[in-house]
Amino acid sequence: ETGVTQTPRHLVMGMTNKKSLKCEQHLGHNAMYWYKQSAKKPLELMFVYNFKEQTENNSVPSRFSPECPNSSHLFLHLHTLQPEDSALYLCASSPDEGLNTEAFFGQGTRLTVV
Amino acid sequence: GQQVMQIPQYQHVQEGEDFTTYCNSSTTLSNIQWYKQRPGGHPVFLIQLVKSGEVKKQKRLTFQFGEAKKNSSLHITATQTTDVGTYFCAGGSNDYKLSFGAGTTVTVRA
Repeated sequence: ETGVTQTPRHLVMGMTNKKSLKCEQHLGHNAMYWYKQSAKKPLELMFVYNFKEQTENNSVPSRFSPECPNSSHLFLHLHTLQPEDSALYLCASSPDEGLNTEAFFGQGTRLTVV
Repeated sequence: GQQVMQIPQYQHVQEGEDFTTYCNSSTTLSNIQWYKQRPGGHPVFLIQLVKSGEVKKQKRLTFQFGEAKKNSSLHITATQTTDVGTYFCAGGSNDYKLSFGAGTTVTVRA
């Protein structure tokens, strides 16, 4: 285990539902990330938080809304998603947002939008 | 923006053989990281290269960073079934952004 825990592991939701993904790390890291992993595509960076402040929003649609209440927890709130949003959503953390720091990934939430 | 390309997308290897996967960037990188994702798992950090021409080894894995810091390679010798998975490179830029390649998915024939 990497020390980064994501819940739930699997989620099926309708296009009108509202759900939230949760990520938790107790590694003492200051930076947390949300990535989207779709089949046959590179990992797509969605959001970056450094010291609880959002430092990156990679042109993500507003139906995805991140929240970082403290440096150990990161949420991704989902509403009115589309079927093409079905993917593996990975949370990661690193000591800080700078260079030369490895990312520790959680096991991901497999999301299916029906 | 920065793009990182990986080839090949798929690598089918006979157990015991060697293979190499390549990572190429359209821009000069500050550093390159390699990750491995087992089937059904999550990416796990393998190594980071920072210096031009740097070579690092981890048992049967050899990682190289190009002289121009625009490409990298991962060479695996004597492939084993435990090497199955997808190998990602991730290039770092001066604005702290890490761009992942699409990965090379490795399968092994026993």
